[in-house]
Amino acid sequence: DGGITQSPKYLFRKEGQNVTLSCEQNLNHDAMYWYRQDPGQGLRLIYYSQIVNDFQKGDIAEGYSVSREKKESFPLTVTSAQKNPTAFYLCASSTSRLARTNTGELFFGEGSRLTVL
Amino acid sequence: KNEVEQSPQNLTAQEGEFITINCSYSVGISALHWLQQHPGGGIVSLFMLSSGKKKHGRLIATINIQEKHSSLHITASHPRDSAVYICAVSGRNTDKLIFGTGTRLQVFP
Repeated sequence: DGGITQSPKYLFRKEGQNVTLSCEQNLNHDAMYWYRQDPGQGLRLIYYSQIVNDFQKGDIAEGYSVSREKKESFPLTVTSAQKNPTAFYLCASSTSRLARTNTGELFFGEGSRLTVL
Repeated sequence: KNEVEQSPQNLTAQEGEFITINCSYSVGISALHWLQQHPGGGIVSLFMLSSGKKKHGRLIATINIQEKHSSLHITASHPRDSAVYICAVSGRNTDKLIFGTGTRLQVFP
């Protein structure tokens, strides 16, 4: 079945370490997104990508990095520069409305909960 | 002021009640999304609307573009409807979304 897969579901990190969260989709979607969710707050956009080999900073990109070498994959690295990385991270994908044909419906992964020890 | 506002923030209901969650936005949009987030954290897309009304089972979503307002209705609510419901809007000429902070719904038997 088509879908979007995030891993790991839970991750613990020591201060000063970089960690990479995986996001893979087999929906043939052009657009992929990384969001951060903190208690009591709406989802905040970290990075997004509308096409392979291109990505844009979102509202809270500092301390994060991404790559989009393949259409299916959009990994997020939480670097040691991110001051408060403990959060719930969600990856999503959709057909880009900038494409000729699109539905725009969003599909989300199950999320990755990162805790810094 | 947030560009997407939801009300109420928290909602409790008895099983069988009719529920309405509201979403107001202040930007021009190409579409509005209603999402459901269960306690485990995963999010499911319920509706994507650009005009009018959509229905899926016991869920109904409406949008009024002129008034920049959308509602999500749940008929005959059930404890399994307990979740956080999130409204999000897609801006024009962009794939970026703006999210509301969510409405936490608890339905008691």
